[in-house]
Amino acid sequence: EVQLVESGGGLVQPGGSLRLSCAASGFTFSSYAMSWVRQAPGKGLEWVSAISGSGGSTYYADSVKGRFTISRDNSKNTLYLQMNSLRAEDTAVYYCAKQPTWIQLWSLYWGQGTLVTVSS
Amino acid sequence: NFMLTQPHSVSESPGKTVTISCTRSSGSIASNYVQWYQQRPGSAPTTVIYEDNQRPSGVPDRFSGSIDSSSNSASLTISGLKTEDEADYYCQSYDSSNPWVFGGGTKLTVL
Repeated sequence: EVQLVESGGGLVQPGGSLRLSCAASGFTFSSYAMSWVRQAPGKGLEWVSAISGSGGSTYYADSVKGRFTISRDNSKNTLYLQMNSLRAEDTAVYYCAKQPTWIQLWSLYWGQGTLVTVSS
Repeated sequence: NFMLTQPHSVSESPGKTVTISCTRSSGSIASNYVQWYQQRPGSAPTTVIYEDNQRPSGVPDRFSGSIDSSSNSASLTISGLKTEDEADYYCQSYDSSNPWVFGGGTKLTVL
């Protein structure tokens, strides 16, 4: 059974940093591209970033480019999102999602999400 | 960049059929697959339709998806509505320049 478990969310001040993790199980992690998708309170879904199975290719939404870094440790079956220079508008629940392939930009599997609150 | 436009809300009675539309602003709706995600209050999204009309295992056949090139739109149809179907529904598609484009979401009320 595919399982994705996010962690690392919390309260951080504007300008601060946070690293999210997504622990994966139930599939060969290194074979699949992964994405982060977020949802601000009361708002819709917004894609944030994607990474290929090897980690050699990454992709970012314009809203986070230059501030967020996606990475993965295939030996630990874990996906990461390093978030720097955080802004109030980054406040959201962050979900990790497993893509079928690098070019199939959608997901059958989602984690339960972790809440990031950016506030002073 | 393209956008996906959904109605803000729809409502229908239990046992009836409801259809939620998703219109693509530019580019052909048929050029890239459309997915539909269900999100119940306080929960993570789940996938109810992928690749235009495919149902993941475990999703009842009351859920179906289609695309209509003439209106450049996709549709999610839920038949035999149940109260448990009450949720937000998001369409999603992509192209080579725009990964993971979501519609604004439709709140389905089953009353």
